[in-house]
Amino acid sequence: GESVGLHLPTLSVQEGDNSIINCAYSNSASDYFIWYKQESGKGPQFIIDIRSNMDKRQGQRVTVLLNKTVKHLSLQIAATQPGDSAVYFCAENLLNDYKLSFGAGTTVTVRA
Amino acid sequence: DADVTQTPRNRITKTGKRIMLECSQTKGHDRMYWYRQDPGLGLRLIYYSFDVKDINKGEISDGYSVSRQAQAKFSLSLESAIPNQTALYFCATSDQGGRAFFGQGTRLTVV
Repeated sequence: GESVGLHLPTLSVQEGDNSIINCAYSNSASDYFIWYKQESGKGPQFIIDIRSNMDKRQGQRVTVLLNKTVKHLSLQIAATQPGDSAVYFCAENLLNDYKLSFGAGTTVTVRA
Repeated sequence: DADVTQTPRNRITKTGKRIMLECSQTKGHDRMYWYRQDPGLGLRLIYYSFDVKDINKGEISDGYSVSRQAQAKFSLSLESAIPNQTALYFCATSDQGGRAFFGQGTRLTVV
């Protein structure tokens, strides 16, 4: 079946460094991708999204890159802070489907 | 106040009991969802509803049922709870663009 997956389940980052979280997806028909952040005891929160007609999108300290050729999505966090420690999920869906498929998540730990 | 509110936040129940998890939203979205989260796994879709008269099964609907009482309310029921339904449950809504907004979650333990 179709699936969304992350390359690594955990990532340890030094405070101030940049973080890169990767995600591979298998459904070539997916056209909308979202990154979510989930802090302990909370529900997932929207970080940034990108549609398939774009390769890159930037937000505040975050950048999402989409490579449709190899079906790869990444989230880059600049100058990682302790508050960035969380589980990060990528999600995908098909145009007008509105059912997000989630990867297993990457746990990011920021070292002081 | 939270846009998507789930009650209860925590619940311990016995095997075989019926339990209902409730969700209400103030975002005015037509689309609502119930997801289940287990350790080390992503969120898996249980049921979803695109409007009050529309109910659809997700990938893991067995053992669950839902009711869409109004645009703002979507409840999830476990007809006869079993231990492997112990998990974190999330309700979500989505806007026209497909972006989902999640509640704080309900931690359910079935003993």
